Amino acid sequence: DTEVTQTPKHLVMGMTNKKSLKCEQHMGHRAMYWYKQKAKKPPELMFVYSYEKLSINESVPSRFSPECPNSSLLNLHLHALQPEDSALYLCASSQDLDRGNQPQHFGDGTRLSIL
Amino acid sequence: AQSVTQLDSQVPVFEEAPVELRCNYSSSVSVYLFWYVQYPNQGLQLLLKYLSGSTLVKGINGFEAEFNKSQTSFHLRKPSVHISDTAEYFCAVSDRNFNKFYFGSGTKLNVKP
Repeated sequence: DTEVTQTPKHLVMGMTNKKSLKCEQHMGHRAMYWYKQKAKKPPELMFVYSYEKLSINESVPSRFSPECPNSSLLNLHLHALQPEDSALYLCASSQDLDRGNQPQHFGDGTRLSIL
Repeated sequence: AQSVTQLDSQVPVFEEAPVELRCNYSSSVSVYLFWYVQYPNQGLQLLLKYLSGSTLVKGINGFEAEFNKSQTSFHLRKPSVHISDTAEYFCAVSDRNFNKFYFGSGTKLNVKP
């Protein structure tokens, strides 16, 4: 069983819709990550939160808006997406951001399709 | 900045044969190294990690990897693969002071009966 839970597992939306992806972990981790993964490619980092504050934004378009309401939850708000945004969106967490010796724990992702 | 190279995009192998998946990294500083496995329609699962100490590390599912600093490599091995090992494998590095991962392009292991 994965310790990082993502909902929904699948999402189909039109280009004018607004939707949100959710991620939850109860491991007491203080760093949380959003990745985008296209087919047959490695995950690409989008955002990182550390202690509920945005630490890294990898020049992601503003149609993606992250939010960290508390230390256990991470959301990704979606608006006016493009067909090329169709991908698997992965959430991950780690103990914190300041040391590189911690594995990241991944959820099973949300498969997003933009019509 | 770090970079990771996985030389083989696909590795076909017969069941019960040994396998090696190659990973090389480039970095001017000390790094930590990880191998992850991704089964279809799932997230990434940690197989093993090298942090320090013994250069031979053992992971889950019978996998092991050897850290070679002089060759900047961290190759993954399994002496006898099963059909269930068919998956995508990613090598990743992070530096000592920051938990940002740099992933290789992945290797698809295809185990044939």
